[in-house]
Amino acid sequence: EVRLVQSGAEVKKAGESLTISCQASGYSFTSYWITWVRQMPGKGLEWVGRIDPSDSYTVYSPSLQGHVTISVDRSITTAYLQWSSLKASDSAMYYCARHEFGTGWANYWGQGTLVTVSS
Amino acid sequence: DIQMTQSPSTLSASVGDRVTITCRASQSINSWLAWYQQKPGEPPKVLIHTASELESGVPSRFSGSGSATEFTLTISSLQPDDFATYYCQHYHSYPYTFGPGTKVDIK
Repeated sequence: EVRLVQSGAEVKKAGESLTISCQASGYSFTSYWITWVRQMPGKGLEWVGRIDPSDSYTVYSPSLQGHVTISVDRSITTAYLQWSSLKASDSAMYYCARHEFGTGWANYWGQGTLVTVSS
Repeated sequence: DIQMTQSPSTLSASVGDRVTITCRASQSINSWLAWYQQKPGEPPKVLIHTASELESGVPSRFSGSGSATEFTLTISSLQPDDFATYYCQHYHSYPYTFGPGTKVDIK
């Protein structure tokens, strides 16, 4: 069974750093891209970026490039989304998702990690 | 970046109704489009990919059509479980943008 299990909710202050995680199981981790999607409170879905776990090649949304970092640890089949300096506007639910092989759509999703940043 | 729009933004319908949601892309995306359903407090769930391919396990009352810049998601007979928000997403080129969503609520 394919599973993506995300880390728990976080409450941080602006300027702090944060890493949230997405542990994958039930499939070959390096064979499928992982995507991160943001959803601000009461708003729609926003594509953050995606990583190829086989070589860590990463593509970011231009609006978030330089502000977030996506990475993986293949030894523990886990993907990460990282901020070095949070902003209040980073407050949102963040989902990781696994793409279908070689495609741009995601068919398995994590449960989401709620990030709250106070100013 | 390719911009995605959806109409309507909100749709009020009754059980048994036929429902159609439209998604438009700012430039041709061929058939590189997916539709997702999201219920409150849950992650999105893919319904349709490649514009018209039904994802495994998704009821056949859902269907997708279109190509290039105009696409539709149709629910042939709305069921109680279908009241949710629906998003289109292109994956033609980066960034893979989503539409703003269409909320289907009870009339």
